[in-house]
Amino acid sequence: QKEVEQDPGPLSVPEGAIVSLNCTYSNSAFQYFMWYRQYSRKGPELLMYTYSSGNKEDGRFTAQVDKSSKYISLFIRDSQPSDSATYLCAMTVSGSARQLTFGSGTQLTVLP
Amino acid sequence: DAGVTQSPTHLIKTRGQQVTLRCSPKSGHDTVSWYQQALGQGPQFIFQYYEEEERQRGNFPDRFSGHQFPNYSSELNVNALLLGDSALYLCASSLAPTGVVNEQFFGPGTRLTVL
Repeated sequence: QKEVEQDPGPLSVPEGAIVSLNCTYSNSAFQYFMWYRQYSRKGPELLMYTYSSGNKEDGRFTAQVDKSSKYISLFIRDSQPSDSATYLCAMTVSGSARQLTFGSGTQLTVLP
Repeated sequence: DAGVTQSPTHLIKTRGQQVTLRCSPKSGHDTVSWYQQALGQGPQFIFQYYEEEERQRGNFPDRFSGHQFPNYSSELNVNALLLGDSALYLCASSLAPTGVVNEQFFGPGTRLTVL
Protein backbone atom coordinates (compact mmCIF):
# COMPACT_ATOMS: atom_id res chain seq x y z
CA GLN A 1 0.00 0.00 0.00
CA LYS A 2 1.27 3.44 -0.93
CA GLU A 3 1.88 5.99 1.82
CA VAL A 4 -0.19 8.56 -0.08
CA GLU A 5 -3.25 7.67 -2.13
CA GLN A 6 -4.79 10.03 -4.66
CA ASP A 7 -7.64 9.44 -7.08
CA PRO A 8 -6.02 9.68 -10.52
CA GLY A 9 -9.16 10.85 -12.27
CA PRO A 10 -9.34 12.04 -14.95
CA LEU A 11 -11.74 14.69 -13.72
CA SER A 12 -13.63 16.88 -16.19
CA VAL A 13 -15.77 19.84 -15.07
CA PRO A 14 -17.44 22.84 -16.74
CA GLU A 15 -15.97 26.30 -16.31
CA GLY A 16 -17.14 27.92 -13.07
CA ALA A 17 -17.60 24.65 -11.20
CA ILE A 18 -16.23 23.93 -7.74
CA VAL A 19 -13.56 21.25 -7.86
CA SER A 20 -12.66 18.99 -4.96
CA LEU A 21 -9.38 17.06 -5.00
CA ASN A 22 -8.45 14.67 -2.23
CA CYS A 23 -5.65 12.56 -0.81
CA THR A 24 -5.43 10.07 2.01
CA TYR A 25 -2.26 9.01 3.74
CA SER A 26 -1.11 6.36 6.17
CA ASN A 27 1.95 7.90 7.89
CA SER A 28 0.76 9.77 10.97
CA ALA A 29 4.16 11.50 11.20
CA PHE A 30 3.40 13.74 8.23
CA GLN A 31 3.13 17.34 9.43
CA TYR A 32 3.36 19.53 6.33
CA PHE A 33 0.93 19.15 3.45
CA MET A 34 1.25 20.67 0.02
CA TRP A 35 -0.56 20.90 -3.26
CA TYR A 36 1.39 21.17 -6.49
CA ARG A 37 0.06 21.90 -9.97
CA GLN A 38 1.82 20.36 -12.96
CA TYR A 39 1.10 21.42 -16.50
CA SER A 40 1.97 19.08 -19.33
CA ARG A 41 5.71 18.84 -19.94
CA LYS A 42 6.47 21.12 -17.01
CA GLY A 43 7.78 20.66 -13.49
CA PRO A 44 5.40 20.86 -10.52
CA GLU A 45 4.74 24.31 -9.02
CA LEU A 46 3.66 24.84 -5.44
CA LEU A 47 0.09 26.08 -5.01
CA MET A 48 -0.35 25.95 -1.26
CA TYR A 49 0.98 24.36 1.86
CA THR A 50 -0.46 23.90 5.32
CA TYR A 51 1.02 22.83 8.60
CA SER A 52 -0.84 20.25 10.69
CA SER A 53 -4.66 20.34 10.70
CA GLY A 54 -6.83 23.22 9.57
CA ASN A 55 -7.83 25.27 6.58
CA LYS A 56 -5.93 27.72 4.43
CA GLU A 57 -7.37 29.94 1.74
CA ASP A 58 -5.59 31.69 -1.13
CA GLY A 59 -7.81 33.34 -3.69
CA ARG A 60 -9.89 30.67 -5.41
CA PHE A 61 -8.00 27.86 -3.67
CA THR A 62 -8.72 26.37 -0.24
CA ALA A 63 -6.64 23.61 1.34
CA GLN A 64 -7.98 21.51 4.20
CA VAL A 65 -6.16 19.05 6.41
CA ASP A 66 -7.83 16.58 8.76
CA LYS A 67 -5.04 14.73 10.54
CA SER A 68 -7.44 12.66 12.62
CA SER A 69 -8.77 11.13 9.40
CA LYS A 70 -5.44 11.33 7.53
CA TYR A 71 -7.26 13.16 4.75
CA ILE A 72 -6.42 16.34 2.85
CA SER A 73 -8.40 18.29 0.28
CA LEU A 74 -7.95 21.08 -2.22
CA PHE A 75 -10.99 23.05 -3.35
CA ILE A 76 -10.95 25.23 -6.44
CA ARG A 77 -13.78 27.75 -6.74
CA ASP A 78 -14.91 29.27 -10.03
CA SER A 79 -12.68 26.91 -11.97
CA GLN A 80 -11.13 28.23 -15.18
CA PRO A 81 -9.80 26.45 -18.30
CA SER A 82 -6.33 27.62 -17.21
CA ASP A 83 -6.72 25.42 -14.13
CA SER A 84 -6.54 22.36 -16.39
CA ALA A 85 -3.49 20.46 -15.17
CA THR A 86 -2.44 17.55 -12.99
CA TYR A 87 -2.72 18.27 -9.26
CA LEU A 88 -0.33 16.51 -6.93
CA CYS A 89 -0.63 16.32 -3.18
CA ALA A 90 2.64 16.04 -1.26
CA MET A 91 3.58 15.77 2.36
CA THR A 92 6.60 15.62 4.59
CA VAL A 93 7.57 14.80 8.13
CA SER A 94 8.60 17.77 10.24
CA GLY A 95 12.37 18.15 10.26
CA SER A 96 12.94 15.67 7.46
CA ALA A 97 14.65 18.31 5.36
CA ARG A 98 12.07 18.28 2.63
CA GLN A 99 11.90 14.71 1.43
CA LEU A 100 8.50 15.06 -0.14
CA THR A 101 6.16 12.10 -0.56
CA PHE A 102 3.76 12.67 -3.45
CA GLY A 103 0.42 11.23 -4.44
CA SER A 104 0.04 9.94 -7.99
CA GLY A 105 -1.77 13.08 -9.16
CA THR A 106 -5.29 13.90 -10.39
CA GLN A 107 -5.68 15.06 -13.97
CA LEU A 108 -8.20 17.92 -14.15
CA THR A 109 -9.78 19.38 -17.28
CA VAL A 110 -11.97 22.48 -17.04
CA LEU A 111 -14.15 22.80 -20.11
CA PRO A 112 -14.97 26.30 -21.43
CA ASP B 1 15.99 34.92 -12.56
CA ALA B 2 16.20 31.80 -14.74
CA GLY B 3 14.74 29.53 -12.10
CA VAL B 4 15.79 25.90 -11.96
CA THR B 5 17.30 24.69 -15.22
CA GLN B 6 17.94 21.13 -16.30
CA SER B 7 19.78 19.57 -19.20
CA PRO B 8 19.30 17.84 -21.47
CA THR B 9 15.57 18.11 -22.13
CA HIS B 10 15.30 14.66 -23.63
CA LEU B 11 17.61 11.68 -23.71
CA ILE B 12 17.41 8.25 -25.31
CA LYS B 13 19.68 5.47 -24.07
CA THR B 14 19.85 1.70 -24.36
CA ARG B 15 19.81 -0.84 -21.57
CA GLY B 16 23.11 -1.15 -19.74
CA GLN B 17 24.33 2.32 -20.64
CA GLN B 18 25.10 5.10 -18.20
CA VAL B 19 23.56 8.58 -18.14
CA THR B 20 24.33 11.93 -16.49
CA LEU B 21 21.67 14.57 -15.94
CA ARG B 22 22.45 18.13 -14.87
CA CYS B 23 20.67 20.73 -12.76
CA SER B 24 21.34 24.36 -11.93
CA PRO B 25 19.38 25.59 -8.90
CA LYS B 26 17.43 28.80 -8.60
CA SER B 27 19.57 31.80 -7.74
CA GLY B 28 20.20 31.94 -4.00
CA HIS B 29 19.35 28.28 -3.38
CA ASP B 30 21.95 25.88 -2.07
CA THR B 31 20.07 22.60 -1.75
CA VAL B 32 19.17 20.31 -4.62
CA SER B 33 16.81 17.35 -4.56
CA TRP B 34 16.24 14.84 -7.34
CA TYR B 35 12.97 13.06 -8.07
CA GLN B 36 11.92 10.37 -10.55
CA GLN B 37 8.44 10.67 -12.06
CA ALA B 38 7.21 7.67 -14.01
CA LEU B 39 4.37 8.20 -16.48
CA GLY B 40 1.08 8.71 -14.66
CA GLN B 41 2.73 8.71 -11.25
CA GLY B 42 3.80 11.29 -8.73
CA PRO B 43 7.47 12.18 -8.27
CA GLN B 44 9.52 9.84 -6.07
CA PHE B 45 12.37 11.22 -4.00
CA ILE B 46 15.81 9.94 -5.04
CA PHE B 47 18.21 11.99 -2.90
CA GLN B 48 19.08 15.46 -1.69
CA TYR B 49 22.40 17.33 -1.75
CA TYR B 50 23.47 20.11 0.54
CA GLU B 51 27.00 21.40 1.10
CA GLU B 52 28.23 18.98 -1.57
CA GLU B 53 27.09 15.96 0.43
CA GLU B 54 24.21 13.55 0.04
CA ARG B 55 21.99 14.34 3.02
CA GLN B 56 18.98 12.11 2.46
CA ARG B 57 18.23 9.22 0.16
CA GLY B 58 15.02 7.58 -0.92
CA ASN B 59 14.48 3.95 -1.81
CA PHE B 60 16.68 3.83 -4.90
CA PRO B 61 19.54 1.41 -5.64
CA ASP B 62 23.20 2.37 -5.70
CA ARG B 63 23.03 2.60 -9.48
CA PHE B 64 21.69 6.08 -8.80
CA SER B 65 24.38 8.45 -7.62
CA GLY B 66 24.88 12.16 -7.56
CA HIS B 67 27.18 15.04 -7.01
CA GLN B 68 26.91 18.66 -6.01
CA PHE B 69 29.47 21.23 -7.09
CA PRO B 70 30.71 24.29 -5.18
CA ASN B 71 28.40 26.50 -7.24
CA TYR B 72 25.46 24.37 -5.94
CA SER B 73 24.71 22.81 -9.33
CA SER B 74 24.19 19.08 -9.30
CA GLU B 75 24.43 15.95 -11.40
CA LEU B 76 22.43 12.74 -11.27
CA ASN B 77 24.17 9.65 -12.61
CA VAL B 78 22.42 6.38 -13.38
CA ASN B 79 24.50 3.30 -14.23
CA ALA B 80 23.47 0.05 -15.89
CA LEU B 81 20.22 1.49 -17.19
CA LEU B 82 17.09 -0.65 -17.06
CA LEU B 83 13.89 -0.24 -19.05
CA GLY B 84 12.18 0.73 -15.80
CA ASP B 85 14.44 3.76 -15.46
CA SER B 86 12.48 5.46 -18.23
CA ALA B 87 10.89 8.47 -16.57
CA LEU B 88 10.91 12.24 -16.13
CA TYR B 89 13.74 13.22 -13.79
CA LEU B 90 13.01 16.35 -11.84
CA CYS B 91 15.42 18.56 -9.99
CA ALA B 92 14.16 20.79 -7.19
CA SER B 93 16.08 23.51 -5.42
CA SER B 94 15.47 25.10 -2.06
CA LEU B 95 17.17 26.89 0.77
CA ALA B 96 19.25 25.05 3.33
CA PRO B 97 17.35 22.59 5.53
CA THR B 98 16.43 24.39 8.73
CA GLY B 99 13.65 22.19 10.04
CA VAL B 100 11.14 24.59 8.53
CA VAL B 101 9.69 23.53 5.21
CA ASN B 102 10.59 26.02 2.54
CA GLU B 103 9.30 25.85 -0.99
CA GLN B 104 10.97 23.50 -3.41
CA PHE B 105 11.18 24.97 -6.90
CA PHE B 106 11.11 22.35 -9.61
CA GLY B 107 12.80 22.43 -12.98
CA PRO B 108 11.09 21.28 -16.18
CA GLY B 109 12.74 17.89 -15.97
CA THR B 110 14.74 15.62 -18.23
CA ARG B 111 12.76 12.96 -20.09
CA LEU B 112 14.84 9.76 -20.17
CA THR B 113 13.83 6.91 -22.45
CA VAL B 114 15.64 3.58 -22.12
CA LEU B 115 15.28 1.22 -25.08
